[in-house]
Parts: sequence; C-alpha cells; structure tokens
Amino acid sequence: ETGVTQTPRHLVMGMTNKKSLKCEQHLGHNAMYWYKQSAKKPLELMFVYSLEERVENNSVPSRFSPECPNSSHLFLHLHTLQPEDSALYLCASSQLSGGARETQYFGPGTRLLVL
Amino acid sequence: AQSVTQLDSHVSVSEGTPVLLRCNYSSSYSPSLFWYVQHPNKGLQLLLKYTSAATLVKGINGFEAEFKKSETSFHLTKPSAHMSDAAEYFCVVSGGDTGRRALTFGSGTRLQVQP
Repeated sequence: ETGVTQTPRHLVMGMTNKKSLKCEQHLGHNAMYWYKQSAKKPLELMFVYSLEERVENNSVPSRFSPECPNSSHLFLHLHTLQPEDSALYLCASSQLSGGARETQYFGPGTRLLVL
Repeated sequence: AQSVTQLDSHVSVSEGTPVLLRCNYSSSYSPSLFWYVQHPNKGLQLLLKYTSAATLVKGINGFEAEFKKSETSFHLTKPSAHMSDAAEYFCVVSGGDTGRRALTFGSGTRLQVQP
C-alpha cells in the first residue's frame, strides 16, 4: 500500500453537482500534484503545489479548483462538470530537493463518472 | 519542451521469455527519466528512475532500463516475464511547460503475458 491515499475511490455525479476529491500523503513530502488520466490519452498534469505555491496547467478549466490547506492534504473541488471530465484523477506527492529529479509517489486514484 | 514516445501501444510475450518495452524521449536539458507501472484499477507504482548516475538502472521485480543519450532512448527490459507483470507501463520524463517538476508521460504500453 502506498503512502498516498485518495477518497473517494469512485464517484458518480451529475453536471450540476458540486463534489470534492481528497488526497492525503503520509510520506512527509512538501509537494503535491493532481493528474488526470483519460482513456487513450497520456496522463496530464493539472496542478502542482510546492512550498505552498501553486503552479497550474493553463489548459485546465475553471470548473476544477484545487485547495492545499497544508503539506499533507490536497483537495480538488469540482463544480458544473462535463461528461468529458470523466476520468481517473490521480494525486501524487514528492520531496523537493532543489532540482527536477524528485520521485513522485502516486495514490490509487479516484474514478470519476459525470452523467 | 519535453516529450516521450512509447513506440508500442501493446506488447504480448509468453511467460518466461524476455520483455522489451521501448521508449524514446526528447529534452532540452539533461533529463530525469522514470518507468512507472499501473495494474488494473490501481495507481502508478515506480519501477525505476534514472538521474544521471549509472546509465544502467535496476528497478523492482527484475526490471532494468538503460539510458542511451546518443539514441535518446530509455528502453525497459526484463529477462523473463511473469504472469504478474501484465499491466500498463509508462515512460516518463521530468520537466515540461508547467514547471520543471512536472512529469511528461508517454501514452503507455500494455503488456500481456501469455501462459
């Protein structure tokens, strides 16, 4: 079992709903990430939180809103999603070491279906 | 900009025979390279990582990969496949347009192991 947990593991929501995905890392890391894994597409980085600073992929729609209250917890707030947002959402964490060589550790993902 | 190309979307081998999963990358600077494995309905697990030390990298479960700068390749190999190796494998390079810690994923290679 990894040191990164995600809840819920599965989520079905309508387009008018508001829901949140939760990620928690137990590895003492100081950076956390949200990725989207769609069928037949490469994994896509959505957001990075490192040292309490947020970096985002400019192509992510505003209906996805991240929140990182501390270095161990990361949320992804969802509202008015579209069916094409159905995907596996993966959380990851890493320990920053001053370069681009840190290893990211992934959670099991939340499988989201938007009806 | 970084990019990763996994040359085969599907590879099928017989149990006990060698495995070769091919990966080519492009990077504007000295990259870090990773192989991750994803079993069905599971998150991503790190197999191995190259960070400019030894060019032959040994990972978990008998996998290894060789970094060849002249060929811009980072192919994953295993001498003898086991049924439990059946999964999807991702070649990954660090860095990218969303920041140097962003991971750029290949499109994945699905490995089937026949009895």
